[in-house]
Amino acid sequence: EADIYQTPRYLVIGTGKKITLECSQTMGHDKMYWYQQDPGMELHLIHYSYGVNSTEKGDLSSESTVSRIRTEHFPLTLESARPSHTSQYLCASRTQNANTGELFFGEGSRLTVL
Amino acid sequence: GENVEQHPSTLSVQEGDSAVIKCTYSDSASNYFPWYKQELGKRPQLIIDIRSNVGEKKDQRIAVTLNKTAKHFSLHITETQPEDSAVYFCAAKIPGGNQFYFGTGTSLTVIP
Repeated sequence: EADIYQTPRYLVIGTGKKITLECSQTMGHDKMYWYQQDPGMELHLIHYSYGVNSTEKGDLSSESTVSRIRTEHFPLTLESARPSHTSQYLCASRTQNANTGELFFGEGSRLTVL
Repeated sequence: GENVEQHPSTLSVQEGDSAVIKCTYSDSASNYFPWYKQELGKRPQLIIDIRSNVGEKKDQRIAVTLNKTAKHFSLHITETQPEDSAVYFCAAKIPGGNQFYFGTGTSLTVIP
């Protein structure tokens, strides 16, 4: 089934650890995004990509990095997690089609840094 | 860049009443305005959108209006039901751009 998948859904780690949040979509979308969201609060754009080997930083500097080696895969890496990184991370994607602007979101990865 | 403001931040209505959420945007070039609904613990999902070449769009109990001159757009929900309780986000997008500029969200509670 065409969808966007995120793993892990929940993660508790210690300060200083390196983590990678995975995001994969099976819809063939060119454009992918990472948002940070505290529960029920506003969405902050961290990174986005408009195609393979293209990535851009969003408005929120979260000390994370992304890569886009394959169309369907857009992982987010935190080199050294801190308690301030505790949040929910939402991955999203959309088609290149100019007539369709809908963002499809994953179910989120809820990260707790102790 | 674009700046989207959303009001109110919280809204409580009695079941059956109407709810209105308003957003303003700063960049007159923006031409696409979606609304997302996020239920508790769930992912945001598109519920309705409008492009700048129309002033109003309806889908059953929900409607969106756009005033390009004043640079504001609103979400209207009629005959509200408890399942309408959620956080609603408006957004704006500039043509040719990749970013969506989201409002800060409105937490709607429908009281049975």
